[in-house]
Amino acid sequence: GAGVSQSPSNKVTEKGKDVELRCDPISGHTALYWYRQSLGQGLEFLIYFQGNSAPDKSGLPSDRFSAERTGGSVSTLTIQRTQQEDSAVYLCASSAIPGQGAGETQYFGPGTRLLVL
Amino acid sequence: GQQLNQSPQSMFIQEGEDVSMNCTSSSIFNTWLWYKQDPGEGPVLLIALYKAGELTSNGRLTAQFGITRKDSFLNISASIPSDVGIYFCAGRNYGQNFVFGPGTRLSVLP
Repeated sequence: GAGVSQSPSNKVTEKGKDVELRCDPISGHTALYWYRQSLGQGLEFLIYFQGNSAPDKSGLPSDRFSAERTGGSVSTLTIQRTQQEDSAVYLCASSAIPGQGAGETQYFGPGTRLLVL
Repeated sequence: GQQLNQSPQSMFIQEGEDVSMNCTSSSIFNTWLWYKQDPGEGPVLLIALYKAGELTSNGRLTAQFGITRKDSFLNISASIPSDVGIYFCAGRNYGQNFVFGPGTRLSVLP
């Protein structure tokens, strides 16, 4: 597609429920990133995919968070047993060729706004 | 780990004024990126810098990759109301992921 898309754009859930957030990167981009942005804060790195593998999961805040990527394209971020502190905007970004100048520039999607009641 | 600081944290300026903000790192980077985020949207890339000393412009925006490779500057000339938003810097070194600063919140008063 023309840009990174994310769905849903907004999600309201009850504490304890599981949620799945989806990211469709720019076609042909090999790298995909997930970030979390709390209200009024900067971006917190969660996980990075190169192809379908995740060489860096260091940012996942707990074992309730997991992510996968299939076919080198779509990625899903899953949060199990959601807590109120999980409420944030979850941003996805993709880049063409990590580590190679202009190709490593990340392009962001519009984000999914998650509210856990 | 690597940390980025951005200053100022927030700024209020009059329409037409020039704006200057900066980003500093505790370690050397080889790539600097500047993004703008409008309310309710994802960050949008403004300028990318790949070489120490590089000065790059994008319309009214100019950014520089500091000679020490530990800082970068973003200037906006003749600000307009649509410049309102949060400006993030991001930097990385070879083989590492990007680190994002906490952002500078810009408000433009008519």
